Amino acid sequence: NAGVTQTPKFRVLKTGQSMTLLCAQDMNHEYMYWYRQDPGMGLRLIHYSVGEGTTAKGEVPDGYNVSRLKKQNFLLGLESAAPSQTSVYFCASGGDRQSQETQYFGPGTRLLVL
Amino acid sequence: GDSVTQMEGPVTLSEEAFLTINCTYTATGYPSLFWYVQYPGEGLQLLLKATKADDKGSNKGFEATYRKETTSFHLEKGSVQVSDSAVYFCALNTGRRALTFGSGTRLQVQP
Repeated sequence: NAGVTQTPKFRVLKTGQSMTLLCAQDMNHEYMYWYRQDPGMGLRLIHYSVGEGTTAKGEVPDGYNVSRLKKQNFLLGLESAAPSQTSVYFCASGGDRQSQETQYFGPGTRLLVL
Repeated sequence: GDSVTQMEGPVTLSEEAFLTINCTYTATGYPSLFWYVQYPGEGLQLLLKATKADDKGSNKGFEATYRKETTSFHLEKGSVQVSDSAVYFCALNTGRRALTFGSGTRLQVQP
């Protein structure tokens, strides 16, 4: 049981490049989330999904897209990276019958946009 | 909208000292309240939670009581260890499935 995993762990992009961050969970959770963490600002929700095939915008969705084609995977895409997207990105999942409100986090992806 | 306010850090303590990290919140409805901990280089882990007023969450010697009258959920530990050095996040969930986080408080425990 690996929990929530994220790839890659670290990436450097140039402005305008694109990339996809992958999140996978093996806990059969319905809900998945993408957050970004910036110094002094805690975690802010980018997008989330309440089930396979569904996505919704969070607090800071601009510049990002997501897809949830399979229940266990949640992808975060940056179509044209900007320096303002330099951050640490965390994926989380939650929503099983035992703990609908508790979220389980991945180890994070550190992204640097030059 | 919903919000969480935490005391600014860093909080620096000597080993075996008493810890309090303040957390207050603003929310519509009746939120569940959480403390998450982030150790260096790792993701967030749930430390404890409380789902209704007057509930006390506890784990690993940490405690927090859901105080509806003061809209607070302060984190306490009677005797901190060096291994408790981490960033602590207070968060709430009003049932809309996403967590609202505070800005985090860094704790540094010195031997």
